Amino acid sequence: DQQVKQNSPSLSVQEGRISILNCDYTNSMFDYFLWYKKYPAEGPTFLISISSIKDKNEDGRFTVFLNKSAKHLSLHIVPSQPGDSAVYFCAAPQGGSEKLVFGKGMKLTVNP
Amino acid sequence: DAGITQSPRHKVTETGTPVTLRCHQTENHRYMYWYRQDPGHGLRLIHYSYGVKDTDKGEVSDGYSVSRSKTEDFLLTLESATSSQTSVYFCAISEPARDSSYEQYFGPGTRLTVT
Repeated sequence: DQQVKQNSPSLSVQEGRISILNCDYTNSMFDYFLWYKKYPAEGPTFLISISSIKDKNEDGRFTVFLNKSAKHLSLHIVPSQPGDSAVYFCAAPQGGSEKLVFGKGMKLTVNP
Repeated sequence: DAGITQSPRHKVTETGTPVTLRCHQTENHRYMYWYRQDPGHGLRLIHYSYGVKDTDKGEVSDGYSVSRSKTEDFLLTLESATSSQTSVYFCAISEPARDSSYEQYFGPGTRLTVT
C-alpha cells in the first residue's frame, strides 16, 4: 500500500512557464513533507520541505503548497528553467520515526 | 555537500556471488540508510541504522544484510546476488530530527548489475 503517491510519471513544460508537480498521501498522521530533486547518475538532493502546521512554504522559485483536508501537496516552480529538468520525489517521515517513505517520482522536462 | 561516498560506483557480478557495497561519511551523522531505486518504484528503504551496531530492516530487506561497526561506515551485503537485485543503490545519512526537520543527504549511488 503506497502511502505517498505521485500519479503522473512525467511532465513537460516550456522554459519560463510554471511547473506544477503533485503528490497525494494516504496517512493523515504525516506531519512533514519533503521534495527531492534527482539528476541522472547523481544522488537525490533535498529541495524544499513543509510542516503540516503550514499550508505554504516558499524558497526562491520553488513553492510547496499543502492541502491537509485533501491530503495533497504540490510543488510549483516559477519560472521553470532547463536546469530544472530532473526527477522529483515527494517524501514523508513514517509515523514518529526518521525513516522517509518516497513517492515513485515524476520526471520534469523543461524545454528551451 | 554532505561528505558521503559510495564504493564501488559500478559493479557487474554473477548470480549467486556475494557482493558488499560500502557507504562512508565524514559528517559524523548518527543515522544511515540504504535505498534502492528502480523504475516504477521510486526509492525504497532496504535497511537503516540508528547508531553503531544498531540496525533494522526496511521495506525491502529480503536478501540483504547490513553492518555498522563504525559511525562513518555502513555496509550493505547481498549474500547471494540475484538478477532481481540489479538496481541503483543509494546510501543516505541524517541527524535526529530537530525542529521537525527530517532531511536526509544522499550519496552518489552504486549501479549494480547481476547477470
